Amino acid sequence: DGGITQSPKYLFRKEGQNVTLSCEQNLNHDAMYWYRQDPGQGLRLIYYSQIVNDFQKGDIAEGYSVSREKKESFPLTVTSAQKNPTAFYLCASSPGLVPYNEQFFGPGTRLTVL
Amino acid sequence: SQQGEEDPQALSIQEGENATMNCSYKTSINNLQWYRQNSGRGLVHLILIRSNEREKHSGRLRVTLDTSKKSSSLLITASRAADTASYFCATGETGGGNKLTFGTGTQLKVEL
Repeated sequence: DGGITQSPKYLFRKEGQNVTLSCEQNLNHDAMYWYRQDPGQGLRLIYYSQIVNDFQKGDIAEGYSVSREKKESFPLTVTSAQKNPTAFYLCASSPGLVPYNEQFFGPGTRLTVL
Repeated sequence: SQQGEEDPQALSIQEGENATMNCSYKTSINNLQWYRQNSGRGLVHLILIRSNEREKHSGRLRVTLDTSKKSSSLLITASRAADTASYFCATGETGGGNKLTFGTGTQLKVEL
């Protein structure tokens, strides 16, 4: 079964702790993305990676970090520097480096910082 | 930043009616896409229209694009209760590679 998975579905953390969200895809896609969604709002791009070992900041990268050591994996770390980390986090992937590609989304991780 | 603004923010219709959602954007684009999101889930791609296209159909979906007005519309015909979801437009900016910028979304409720 091809797809993109995120784990866990729900995550609770205390303020001041770093937390890492997992994103894995077996679609053989080159590009991967992390978005944040707040209630009633659209998606905002945190980081994206167009190829292994390379990634770029999106619109709201402050307080987040990523790595892309393997093509199929793009974990996101929410650091204690992120001022308001409680949100719904979505990972996506797309086939290549050119436009006109749809993005395939994972089911999301809802992070709550207490 | 969010490039797209969707209108209306929320829409409630009866099953069988048509639903129209509009999206406006600010910069030059090479494509515009529409996605659907069921509550608490990931997004699902519906349709992509390139900047040199004016209209596209897929099943009960019809998308139009007017690059002179920087706007797009999504029409869902003969709506069903299962169409209840949030709908987002996403734009691929010219020179932006494969990045997308998402709008704020329209919440559609289709009642029986």
